[in-house]
Amino acid sequence: KAGVTQTPRYLIKTRGQQVTLSCSPISGHRSVSWYQQTPGQGLQFLFEYFSETQRNKGNFPGRFSGRQFSNSRSEMNVSTLELGDSALYLCASSLVGGTGTYEQYFGPGTRLTVT
Amino acid sequence: DAKTTQPTSMDCAEGRAANLPCNHSTISGNEYVYWYRQIHSQGPQYIIHGLKNNETNEMASLIITEDRKSSTLILPHATLRDTAVYYCIVRVADPYNFGGSQGNLIFGKGTKLSVKP
Repeated sequence: KAGVTQTPRYLIKTRGQQVTLSCSPISGHRSVSWYQQTPGQGLQFLFEYFSETQRNKGNFPGRFSGRQFSNSRSEMNVSTLELGDSALYLCASSLVGGTGTYEQYFGPGTRLTVT
Repeated sequence: DAKTTQPTSMDCAEGRAANLPCNHSTISGNEYVYWYRQIHSQGPQYIIHGLKNNETNEMASLIITEDRKSSTLILPHATLRDTAVYYCIVRVADPYNFGGSQGNLIFGKGTKLSVKP
């Protein structure tokens, strides 16, 4: 079974621009979560989507948004980019339903550099 | 904030067992212990999880104390490729059946394991 895929893998943007990152979950996984990883703050939770609805949101400004499509694929958007948004953005998917324990499987991440 | 405490770093000789401890003294009865690892610049990789019984899979073993306040991840024969940051996380197992409980993982600083030749 294919793993979580994220596109693009690397991205360079300028301050003030916006960016959209994409995540395709493992087939059959209906929950997608996004995380930001920086050297200073470590891995921080951004938001979680299930059935096209945002279920949970971390402590990030409104410039960070996301959505999930009916096929469970997800996108996140960052508007008005700041230098501090330079980070590795990770997507994770998990199976929901049944009697599983919903471990999350991560993609390789998108490395965003803001100049 | 993370609900776990781990040593900042550990070394292990190649071929020997790596024992990574984790303290989670405030763990609730419905929370599992999960372990992930992150090899440099890659996405975190799920290793194992458990509730109260010891667990083993092809990657590692998880030993949870009887009072569930601490656990140890064991890599039985560490290789150079096991060099990574290891994260111990506690979380409800089924967040979708706990009325809005958070399904996200809260990562602490983890333990940087260096496997040396």
